Amino acid sequence: GAVVSQHPSRVICKSGTSVKIECRSLDFQATTMFWYRQFPKQSLMLMATSNEGSKATYEQGVEKDKFLINHASLTLSTLTVTSAHPEDSSFYICSAPRGREGIRGAQYFGPGTRLLVL
Amino acid sequence: AQKITQTQPGMFVQEKEAVTLDCTYDTSDQSYGLFWYKQPSSGEMIFLIYQGSYDEQNATEGRYSLNFQKARKSANLVISASQLGDSAMYFCAMREGRRGGADGLTFGKGTHLIIQP
Repeated sequence: GAVVSQHPSRVICKSGTSVKIECRSLDFQATTMFWYRQFPKQSLMLMATSNEGSKATYEQGVEKDKFLINHASLTLSTLTVTSAHPEDSSFYICSAPRGREGIRGAQYFGPGTRLLVL
Repeated sequence: AQKITQTQPGMFVQEKEAVTLDCTYDTSDQSYGLFWYKQPSSGEMIFLIYQGSYDEQNATEGRYSLNFQKARKSANLVISASQLGDSAMYFCAMREGRRGGADGLTFGKGTHLIIQP
């Protein structure tokens, strides 16, 4: 079964509004979670690393004031897209690392959130 | 330079045939991990197989195997006896060794595999 959940799975909003996406690890604790973005027919691009108890670290070119990340607990990270614009429309997907049969760095991915900004 | 290169944007394969999806990588780290994920049209990322840089044996998981050639920096995915349900996007990804599980993955551009009956 799924070990990482995301909510909502799909959201449509008006330009200028803020959208919050939740990522939860279901039966394990994750001090670190990752947020990726995937534009249509493209690859996943790492946006930021969410760290429980400290600030998120952002990849180059990702605006930290636009994509607010809060790692509220050991099982929850949220990504808030502030003042969303049509160019922010994308598929946002989170992941959490979990020890898996000795696989160092194995990540479980959530089902993703499709954001459409009108 | 791209860290993960997948040179096949799309592939058509007959059902039951074996298929090889190419992946080359670039890293200066000694410790790293290579992953393959499958992404069907629903968007979920399904973990398929993992190869650690220090693993001497090629990884295998059921019908999936990873042809790891370290000197060539390649990590090709081989799917034996392809099935219609294998039709999806396939992504090769790398975790570099800086912080182990605390590092995000770098993905290639993907290969769109279509299995034909």
